[in-house]
Amino acid sequence: EPEVTQTPSHQVTQMGQEVILRCVPISNHLYFYWYRQILGQKVEFLVSFYNNEISEKSEIFDDQFSVERPDGSNFTLKIRSTKLEDSAMYFCASSAASGNTIYFGEGSWLTVV
Amino acid sequence: AQSVTQLDSHVSVSEGTPVLLRCNYSSSYSPSLFWYVQHPNKGLQLLLKYTSAATLVKGINGFEAEFKKSETSFHLTKPSAHMSDAAEYFCVVGDFTGFQKLVFGTGTRLLVSP
Repeated sequence: EPEVTQTPSHQVTQMGQEVILRCVPISNHLYFYWYRQILGQKVEFLVSFYNNEISEKSEIFDDQFSVERPDGSNFTLKIRSTKLEDSAMYFCASSAASGNTIYFGEGSWLTVV
Repeated sequence: AQSVTQLDSHVSVSEGTPVLLRCNYSSSYSPSLFWYVQHPNKGLQLLLKYTSAATLVKGINGFEAEFKKSETSFHLTKPSAHMSDAAEYFCVVGDFTGFQKLVFGTGTRLLVSP
């Protein structure tokens, strides 16, 4: 069964460092998403991406965050200068079309120290 | 704005007994509702979804949920719990006012004892 894959599964980084989280969405999907879950809190929407541009972003997704689809298969989330409060599980997701089922990856656990 | 409330943070059952995980929603239009499950160290897996067709929705692993508009509820049930059902369950509502995004509840941890 096709699945969304994410790397790394776990990353520890120093505060202020740049981090790139990588995702390979399901191959025929056109919509891509990032969500995050801070420990003990709700899963929150960060950003959606379609047709090589951001279609919607939450207020969490400020200037230190960016997304990119550098080639035909990868979808990345970059955090420019990490803060302690960026420590969370980051989920990549994809869907074939708007309104279709959203499929999630296994998550990348980011720890900022 | 769309929102969901999961009424229990933890539910404990014995193997072989019924499971009931409660969820109430708030939506300004006909909602799309989902249940996702997260097993330890795993991603979010879709259990089932409601998108205004039949009000009783059957999902994977014997789970089902009933959409009740009058009660604004979408409770998840299973007749007989299995040890492998122990996980975190999320009730989710779709917010499709712009491009689609999902609004998650706080989650219910299901504990299954032998």
